[in-house]
Amino acid sequence: DIQMTQSPSSLSASVGDRVTITCRASQSISTYLNWYQQKPGKAPRLLIYAASSLQSGVPSRFSGSGSGTDFTLTISSLQPEDFATYYCQQSYSIFTFGPGTKVDIK
Amino acid sequence: EVQLVESGGGLVQPGGSLRLSCAASGFTFSSYWMHWVRQAPGQGLVWVSRINSDGSSTSYADSVKGRFTISRDNAKNTLYLQMNSLRAEDTAVYYCARTDALSSSSRYYYYMDVWGKGTTVTVSS
Repeated sequence: DIQMTQSPSSLSASVGDRVTITCRASQSISTYLNWYQQKPGKAPRLLIYAASSLQSGVPSRFSGSGSGTDFTLTISSLQPEDFATYYCQQSYSIFTFGPGTKVDIK
Repeated sequence: EVQLVESGGGLVQPGGSLRLSCAASGFTFSSYWMHWVRQAPGQGLVWVSRINSDGSSTSYADSVKGRFTISRDNAKNTLYLQMNSLRAEDTAVYYCARTDALSSSSRYYYYMDVWGKGTTVTVSS
C-alpha cells in the first residue's frame, strides 16, 4: 500500500503570508496527487488535482507542484477563509489520504 | 445544482448493521465512479470503498473488507453502503464522493470533485 505523509502537521500563519505544505508518497506516484481543503464540520473541497491542475472555482493563490514522491501545495497570500486543514491524496493506486496539515491563525 | 446527500447514519450497537444511502442529483449519476470516505472524530480522512459506474467492480479498504458492501442503483441515482458487524472503530462521519478524471496522454488522473455533507455513524453500547 502507498503511504502518504505531510509536513508540517500544523502551522500558524498570518493573513498575507506565503504558506507551503509538503506531501510525500512512500513510492513514486507520478503526478497522481490531489489536494483538498476541509473546514471544521464541513466536507472536504477539491483544490488541486493531478498535482498541479487548479479545480474550477478555486482561487489562483492556490497552486500545486511536484512529481514522483514529493509534492507541495502553496498558498501565495493567505486569506482569512484559508484557515483550514489540508489533505493530500494519491490516486495512483486506489486512494490514500495524507494525515493532514492544519493551518491556523498566528 | 450538482449535489450528493447522505442519509442512514445513527447509533448502533457493536455487531449491528446499518445501511447508508447517498442520493445524487444534478448530474448523470450512471456515468461516474463513486466512493465512500470516512472521518473518525478529530481524525483525518480515510478512503473506505469505491464502485465503478455500472456497479460491476468494487474495492474496499482492508479495515472494512468482508464487513461492508458498496452498491448502487443507477435508476434511482443512489449509492449505498451496507455495513455489517460494526465495531467501535467504525464510528465516523461517512461521506460519499463523486470521482472525475483528467485524461492526458492515455492516463487518467482521478480525483473526488463532489462531496456530500456526510452522515454520522456511532457504534456504541
